[in-house]
Amino acid sequence: AQSVTQLDSQVPVFEEAPVELRCNYSSSVSVYLFWYVQYPNQGLQLLLKYLSGSTLVKGINGFEAEFNKSQTSFHLRKPSVHISDTAEYFCAVSDGGSQGNLIFGKGTKLSVKP
Amino acid sequence: DTGVSQNPRHKITKRGQNVTFRCDPISEHNRLYWYRQTLGQGPEFLTYFQNEAQLEKSRLLSDRFSAERPKGSFSTLEIQRTEQGDSAMYLCASSSLGGGAVDTQYFGPGTRLTVL
Repeated sequence: AQSVTQLDSQVPVFEEAPVELRCNYSSSVSVYLFWYVQYPNQGLQLLLKYLSGSTLVKGINGFEAEFNKSQTSFHLRKPSVHISDTAEYFCAVSDGGSQGNLIFGKGTKLSVKP
Repeated sequence: DTGVSQNPRHKITKRGQNVTFRCDPISEHNRLYWYRQTLGQGPEFLTYFQNEAQLEKSRLLSDRFSAERPKGSFSTLEIQRTEQGDSAMYLCASSSLGGGAVDTQYFGPGTRLTVL
């Protein structure tokens, strides 16, 4: 069965600093990878996704992620964070099966401090 | 496109009571998913519909849980004889089965259930 590991439960960072949120997944023949963001008391919003093609994926709000098949990783990065990026970030994987349900990691809480 | 909506946003109930949640997906999305998210965890898959057919159920979905999507549009999730362990955020997502290998799920704001 697929699984996702988010290595950091909390990441504090100062405003305008770069940030990387780490995500590793269990290996499979083919995987489709997603990053979602969740603001307090809200649902999940899609940041970006990797389905195929270029391994560097750009998303909304200046975020990007790189798919690394050999390391089974899909780390999320942003070169300069803002206070408004404070939220919880979830990495998810789908094996593209008939139902396509997502397997989520436990999340990483990003706290951006002034 | 008004997005996925869920009602109610919050529900407080006493142990043993029944509760029902509603999800309205993005119009014309033929796939609908229910997930449960407990504190400090990522969402966990509960069940999935394609049109009105319920095609997959997780082991997490005990016999106290039932979901329907009668006309292939909105869906309801009912929990009978609620227990304190049912306290969680219940998330609904919808997607459109296109020609690609996998579709993108769009989530609603969730219904937060508290069982006293």
